[in-house]
Amino acid sequence: KNQVEQSPQSLIILEGKNCTLQCNYTVSPFSNLRWYKQDTGRGPVSLTIMTFSENTKSNGRYTATLDADTKQSSLHITASQLSDSASYICVVYYAGNNRKLIWGLGTSLAVNP
Amino acid sequence: DTAVSQTPKYLVTQMGNDKSIKCEQNLGHDTMYWYKQDSKKFLKIMFSYNNKELIINETVPNRFSPKSPDKAHLNLHINSLELGDSAVYFCASSQAGIGRAGELFFGEGSRLTVL
Repeated sequence: KNQVEQSPQSLIILEGKNCTLQCNYTVSPFSNLRWYKQDTGRGPVSLTIMTFSENTKSNGRYTATLDADTKQSSLHITASQLSDSASYICVVYYAGNNRKLIWGLGTSLAVNP
Repeated sequence: DTAVSQTPKYLVTQMGNDKSIKCEQNLGHDTMYWYKQDSKKFLKIMFSYNNKELIINETVPNRFSPKSPDKAHLNLHINSLELGDSAVYFCASSQAGIGRAGELFFGEGSRLTVL
């Protein structure tokens, strides 16, 4: 079954600290993997999009990695800020029949002062 | 200037009523989508239109009917609302198809509460 699982479910860190969020998927075949940030009460905003041939991609303090062999991705946030408090969602594009994006449930991150 | 805008932002209504949510994008994108986010925060695609043509129609009750008068607008009409329809509905758009790593741009969401 094509699934996207994220861990941890929630995370609390202090401002200025780094953190890493994990995404494991069983989607096959897949062609790209995305990370979205969703602030409370807002729509998701794209952070990174990686094709299956890419290993890493950065967007400011956000760095995503992808290991297509082990079907794992991570999102690393450096020097966290209060505004990083949000839900981070991993999304994998299923490239088989009935092509579609398969969404994870997200990791809820709280950055405290 | 908002890229993807939805109205209304909040909608509270009684069971059995009919309601519509409107969406407009000014990004010049060819593809628009409706997503439903339930209480567990899980985002699920409902419909996708490319240049006014329906290309994705997931298994949703036929009480939900999308309408795309032009490629910049995608509206969602819901008949005979049920309690389980309570959710946040997101409109989104993309230039390229999502299979070509097209980036999705989301609206702010429309929170529907059915009493």
